[in-house]
Amino acid sequence: EAGVTQSPTHLIKTRGQQATLRCSPISGHTSVYWYQQALGLGLQFLLWYDEGEERNRGNFPPRFSGRQFPNYSSELNVNALELEDSALYLCASSRTSDSPLHFGNGTRLTVT
Amino acid sequence: GENVEQHPSTLSVQEGDSAVIKCTYSDSASNYFPWYKQELGKRPQLIIDIRSNVGEKKDQRIAVTLNKTAKHFSLHITETQPEDSAVYFCAASIMGSGTYKYIFGTGTRLKVLA
Repeated sequence: EAGVTQSPTHLIKTRGQQATLRCSPISGHTSVYWYQQALGLGLQFLLWYDEGEERNRGNFPPRFSGRQFPNYSSELNVNALELEDSALYLCASSRTSDSPLHFGNGTRLTVT
Repeated sequence: GENVEQHPSTLSVQEGDSAVIKCTYSDSASNYFPWYKQELGKRPQLIIDIRSNVGEKKDQRIAVTLNKTAKHFSLHITETQPEDSAVYFCAASIMGSGTYKYIFGTGTRLKVLA
């Protein structure tokens, strides 16, 4: 089966701009999770979507937002970009909210 | 708040030796404990997981043990090989809670020396 796919692979933006990151879960998976991984650091939880609804969000400001579409794919939007938003953004999916997470390859966002 | 402590942060072993990474969790309701391996520039991949009704699980050279009383779990890699070099993350989760409950450890950078 195809894994979790994310696009774009790399994204370069300037401070103050907006970024949109996309994620397609594994076929049949209804839950999508977003994580931020700054260089050399761990996985910081951003958002969790399940069946089209936002179920939980991590400790991030409101300028981090997203949505899940009827086909279960998802978008992460980051407004008013700041330099410290530069990181690898990982998407993960699971078959149900009670199933293991499977990660995509990530989008590396660079803010200059 | 709830957290998962992971030790050590870095670990170097000689090829062929064993490696052990330990994690401690705080939420006694945690019932699912996955381990992820992240090679440089790649995505985290699930390598093994264990549920709270099991004390040990093995998959070839990899094993995970769980001590629910002490609230800690460990990853054991035997006969290490250079391709085992990566960052390993543990996590504790509560399946069935209806809310997000994945708490990741801070990662261990394992280096296997040839």
